[in-house]
Amino acid sequence: DVKVTQSSRYLVKRTGEKVFLECVQDMDHENMFWYRQDPGLGLRLIYFSYDVKMKEKGDIPEGYSVSREKKERFSLILESASTNQTSMYLCASRAGLAGVRETQYFGPGTRLLVL
Amino acid sequence: AQSVTQLGSHVSVSEGALVLLRCNYSSSVPPYLFWYVQYPNQGLQLLLKYTSAATLVKGINGFEAEFKKSETSFHLTKPSAHMSDAAEYFCAVSSNTGNQFYFGTGTSLTVIP
Repeated sequence: DVKVTQSSRYLVKRTGEKVFLECVQDMDHENMFWYRQDPGLGLRLIYFSYDVKMKEKGDIPEGYSVSREKKERFSLILESASTNQTSMYLCASRAGLAGVRETQYFGPGTRLLVL
Repeated sequence: AQSVTQLGSHVSVSEGALVLLRCNYSSSVPPYLFWYVQYPNQGLQLLLKYTSAATLVKGINGFEAEFKKSETSFHLTKPSAHMSDAAEYFCAVSSNTGNQFYFGTGTSLTVIP
């Protein structure tokens, strides 16, 4: 079974703090994704990566950055957390270098509260 | 451009009744379509997917969905709702020309005993 793990289930941070969200997958997948999920808005793509050290912006990259130094690990960084970044963050991974018929596998999510 | 629309952000059914969750897609190329389920405080889990083989797709937990190109729809059904089906359901579309999934805004299913 594919396993995608996220470093924290719940996180509370203060405005202005630098926040790191970690995601690890154990299936040697090329592609990894970060989404945020908000009520009524569904899942919105923040960033994705299709290879080590490669990244592409999704629909809402502002205020975020990412790092992928190893194939199995994809980190989301909030450079200076703000209250409007309070959300549920979901990491996903998917096999395949191109084409998207393959299933995306999701981690359990990190619920972030910024005070 | 690709997108999905899920009609009805909240659906309530009685236990044992038919479940019907609606999804319409927009795609200029042949689509791949997915249904995911999310239980409270968990990530998303794949229910089923359509990738241009059979138009009627069977998934886990008794769910199925039918791809109808003429209606640009991929509605999710289950003949008899169970209490454990209460969750949020997401429809998603992708294609072989891109690298992204596009998710709908979700439908929250409540099952009334």
